[in-house]
Amino acid sequence: AQSVTQLGSHVSVSEGALVLLRCNYSSSVPPYLFWYVQYPNQGLQLLLKYTTGATLVKGINGFEAEFKKSETSFHLTKPSAHMSDAAEYFCAVSDREWYQGAQKLVFGQGTRLTINP
Amino acid sequence: DVKVTQSSRYLVKRTGEKVFLECVQDMDHENMFWYRQDPGLGLRLIYFSYDVKMKEKGDIPEGYSVSREKKERFSLILESASTNQTSMYLCASTLRGELFFGEGSRLTVL
Repeated sequence: AQSVTQLGSHVSVSEGALVLLRCNYSSSVPPYLFWYVQYPNQGLQLLLKYTTGATLVKGINGFEAEFKKSETSFHLTKPSAHMSDAAEYFCAVSDREWYQGAQKLVFGQGTRLTINP
Repeated sequence: DVKVTQSSRYLVKRTGEKVFLECVQDMDHENMFWYRQDPGLGLRLIYFSYDVKMKEKGDIPEGYSVSREKKERFSLILESASTNQTSMYLCASTLRGELFFGEGSRLTVL
């Protein structure tokens, strides 16, 4: 079975500061990893995903994440926070690529990011 | 743009009522999903469907059923609503591994 743990249900940073949201996963097979963002009163949208290949993945809005197999981690970072980054962020894992059959994602608990002016 | 539309943003129902949550996607996607979102628990998969009339249980199917008679429409049914089903319900469809979500249906069961 797969699982995801997001460390910290709430993270608060100042505008312009580094954003670091932590995600650790458990998987018995090579994982496929995702970060989704949910802005207030909206559904989730994809920020970035790791499938195979380069372990540093770049996403939208200046976010990136690094897959570290030895640490079973997929932390999300952004060098300089902007007020518009305030949202809830979800890490997710799957055991297969989309073309390998129905791809079900297991989500973490979510981390609410607050940006202080 | 992909559009996933959930018919009701807010619903208030009474214990024991039958509840239908409707979801429509406009991009001919094969796979559709129903998730439940609760604070501190993230998203949990209730049911998914990978084709018309095909469905598979997710992690928390108890108390729910689904219907997919047409490719674009995936309905979640609560046969007899209970207070512990008060939650945010999110529908999604997938294209090449990317989930596209609706805006959610917030259900309150009194």
